[in-house]
Amino acid sequence: DVKVTQSSRYLVKRTGEKVFLECVQDMDHENMFWYRQDPGLGLRLIYFSYDVKMKEKGDIPEGYSVSREKKERFSLILESASTNQTSMYLCASSLGNGPNEQFFGPGTRLTVL
Amino acid sequence: RKEVEQDPGPFNVPEGATVAFNCTYSNSASQSFFWYRQDCRKEPKLLMSVYSSGNEDGRFTAQLNRASQYISLLIRDSKLSDSATYLCVVNGNNFNKFYFGSGTKLNVKP
Repeated sequence: DVKVTQSSRYLVKRTGEKVFLECVQDMDHENMFWYRQDPGLGLRLIYFSYDVKMKEKGDIPEGYSVSREKKERFSLILESASTNQTSMYLCASSLGNGPNEQFFGPGTRLTVL
Repeated sequence: RKEVEQDPGPFNVPEGATVAFNCTYSNSASQSFFWYRQDCRKEPKLLMSVYSSGNEDGRFTAQLNRASQYISLLIRDSKLSDSATYLCVVNGNNFNKFYFGSGTKLNVKP
């Protein structure tokens, strides 16, 4: 059974803290994605990666960075958390070479106080 | 203008009803289209892909209209378990990049 896991379901941080969100997939997928989901706005792509050490900006990369040192792991970093980064963060993975089904992790609900 | 637009609903229907959702997309170069389902407090999961010729999976039928740039999802004989938010997904110029609609909420009532 395919599986995408995220390091935390719920996280509370303070403004200015550095935040790490980890995502691991066990399907040997080439592509990995980070989204945030906000009411009325749907899922918005922050960053994606199509190979180890490769990354591309999505639609809302400001305030975020990513790291992909191993194929199965994709990390999202908030360098200095702000209250407007309070959101649900979803990680996904898919096979490379085309628009394939994305498999999502359970999400991390991040609250920045 | 948003890449993908959906009516947020909610659509409140009785069990057994037929319900249809539409979704419009702005990029005429888009080639791949999907419907995902998201249950409350859960992650999205693929419901079905949408092919140019249309496709059917049991009670669910998806259609694509390229000329008018919309896709549709028809659910026949609605079940209580169909209650969820349905997300329309369209790929962008980069084949690996997708745009998600904000979802249409369906409530099926007994």
